[in-house]
Amino acid sequence: AQSVAQPEDQVNVAEGNPLTVKCTYSVSGNPYLFWYVQYPNRGLQFLLKYITGDNLVKGSYGFEAEFNKSQTSFHLKKPSALVSDSALYFCAVRQTYNNAGNMLTFGGGTRLMVKP
Amino acid sequence: DSGVTQTPKHLITATGQRVTLRCSPRSGDLSVYWYQQSLDQGLQFLIQYYNGEERAKGNILERFSAQQFPDLHSELNLSSLELGDSALYFCASSVTADSGNTIYFGEGSWLTVV
Repeated sequence: AQSVAQPEDQVNVAEGNPLTVKCTYSVSGNPYLFWYVQYPNRGLQFLLKYITGDNLVKGSYGFEAEFNKSQTSFHLKKPSALVSDSALYFCAVRQTYNNAGNMLTFGGGTRLMVKP
Repeated sequence: DSGVTQTPKHLITATGQRVTLRCSPRSGDLSVYWYQQSLDQGLQFLIQYYNGEERAKGNILERFSAQQFPDLHSELNLSSLELGDSALYFCASSVTADSGNTIYFGEGSWLTVV
């Protein structure tokens, strides 16, 4: 079975500082990894994904994520945080499920608080 | 705007009742997914349809059912509602059922059971 862990319930960072939101995964075979963001009272917005290729993936709003196969991690990063980045972030893994479906399995989410 | 449309946005109903949540996928997307988000369970996969056929089933209760119609819109039916069914229900869609496809989510339907 596939699973995702986000070890931090909340990450606090000052505006302008770099941020990292951690994610580790467990899956048999090759993982497809995703990051989504949820703003208050909004749906999940896609940020970026890793399918294959370059381990550093660039996404929306200046976010990027680094795939590390040996550490089974896919941490989300941004060089300079903005107050508007404050939101709930979800890491997800996807795997073909019995060749019949391909559901996303989500981590528990990490709340990012960026303070001015 | 992801292009996935869900109605209604908010719904309050009593225990024991039945509700239907509706979803229109992004134009051209053939696969539809339903997820439930609650404080205690997080984001849980319920069910997936692809081009009208059920493709995968997750932690969906027997009181819940879904279908995808020929025009590709989908409905999630929740019956014999209990207080614990109060949650945010997301519909999502992707072009195909391929694992590499991005899944785009709607803004959700807030269900409150009183």
